[in-house]
Amino acid sequence: EIVLTQTPLSLPVTPGEPASISCRSSQSLMDSDDGYTYLDWYLQKPGQSPQLLIYTLSYRASGVPDRFSVSGSGTDFTLKISRVEAGDVGVYYCMQRREFPITFGGGTKVEIK
Amino acid sequence: DVQLSESGGGLIQPGGSLRLSCATSGFTFISHAMSWVRQAPGKGLEWVSAIGGLGAGAHYADSVKGRFTISRDDSKSTLYLHMNSLRVDDTAVYYCAILGGDWGPGTLVSVSS
Repeated sequence: EIVLTQTPLSLPVTPGEPASISCRSSQSLMDSDDGYTYLDWYLQKPGQSPQLLIYTLSYRASGVPDRFSVSGSGTDFTLKISRVEAGDVGVYYCMQRREFPITFGGGTKVEIK
Repeated sequence: DVQLSESGGGLIQPGGSLRLSCATSGFTFISHAMSWVRQAPGKGLEWVSAIGGLGAGAHYADSVKGRFTISRDDSKSTLYLHMNSLRVDDTAVYYCAILGGDWGPGTLVSVSS
């Protein structure tokens, strides 16, 4: 199975400052048949279900501000928040749906300093 | 608006059975692959099962294979998870999800004697 390793585990952030989360995959997440990279990012705010931020590597979900972006390819990916806001706190997960079993990273807890 | 709403969770004894339902609306259910994802208390996300749209097959995590069965009723736009031989470690919030899309609020399954 594809293993996703997220770092850091915890990320204290200052509002207005940038932040980044790494997600490394044990295998390439690019589908050679269609060229798409099946990596998604979710944010689980306290007491809520996960909400989609980014899908298929770099497409922002509806309503997600352009402060959120993803860089990387193949097996190494980084979610970047250009300017953190108080409402961005929660646990961020990367997820691969390149192949079954679908797997998630262990999560990164973002909190305000 | 896409809506996903799980039901059927509750307290069940080890070895028991439960059926979860996920009522959906706001999108073309028949053509979408659907999944169940669970989250044990205080833990990360674990994919459980997926079923394809338009008659495509089903997939399961090793941890539930042979005990859980996913199914769908396209006429009712409803997803199901039939859970047998439940174990204490199946205790979790179960989410219905369009992977790479929206998730429901979840339903809690507690397996305990």
